[in-house]
Amino acid sequence: QQQVKQSPQSLIVQKGGIPIINCAYENTAFDYFPWYQQFPGKGPALLIAIRPDVSEKKEGRFTISFNKSAKQFSLHIMDSQPGDSATYFCAAAIKAAGNKLTFGGGTRVLVKP
Amino acid sequence: KAGVTQTPRYLIKTRGQQVTLSCSPISGHRSVSWYQQTPGQGLQFLFEYFSETQRNKGNFPGRFSGRQFSNSRSEMNVSTLELGDSALYLCASRVGSRGHEQYFGPGTRLTVT
Repeated sequence: QQQVKQSPQSLIVQKGGIPIINCAYENTAFDYFPWYQQFPGKGPALLIAIRPDVSEKKEGRFTISFNKSAKQFSLHIMDSQPGDSATYFCAAAIKAAGNKLTFGGGTRVLVKP
Repeated sequence: KAGVTQTPRYLIKTRGQQVTLSCSPISGHRSVSWYQQTPGQGLQFLFEYFSETQRNKGNFPGRFSGRQFSNSRSEMNVSTLELGDSALYLCASRVGSRGHEQYFGPGTRLTVT
């Protein structure tokens, strides 16, 4: 059972555009939602994370929006650059249950110069 | 601070063999988790260790096992390798046992022939 669904699978934008990646979850016990960025040959790197009591969080050019009632959250990359070309993963966890992250399927983002 | 290190980075094994992978967490981090990443199944949680104790386990067969040492370093072992075990095995570390950011290593690329 896939508990975190991520879309789209891939995305192409022009430099300066705003790629938007969406995730939906099923388990209402999830209370920690991080996003990871992964470049080829590297491990995932934590970008930004949000708790369900917050509707939006910004860090640099990355913004997470969270809709608790819809059980959805999304990542926006403002003023995207070719260096942002990577695979992005959303994830969810139950903080009291330990370290286990349940990941979405990933979105490959290509930012064209 | 040095990041999470994993050794070896690449490994080729034959079906039926066993393999041991190693992970050294970030200095001061006491929690280590392991994940398997494949194109088909994505990122899946294997298990989590904190203070040398397994705290959580994913849905993998008993051929997958792990341990953590008193210095927080961790190893995972896969016995009787199958072709489907070919994957990138990622280790992540965290300061405590609950609710904080996890930092991933570069992974060990295991190929089973």
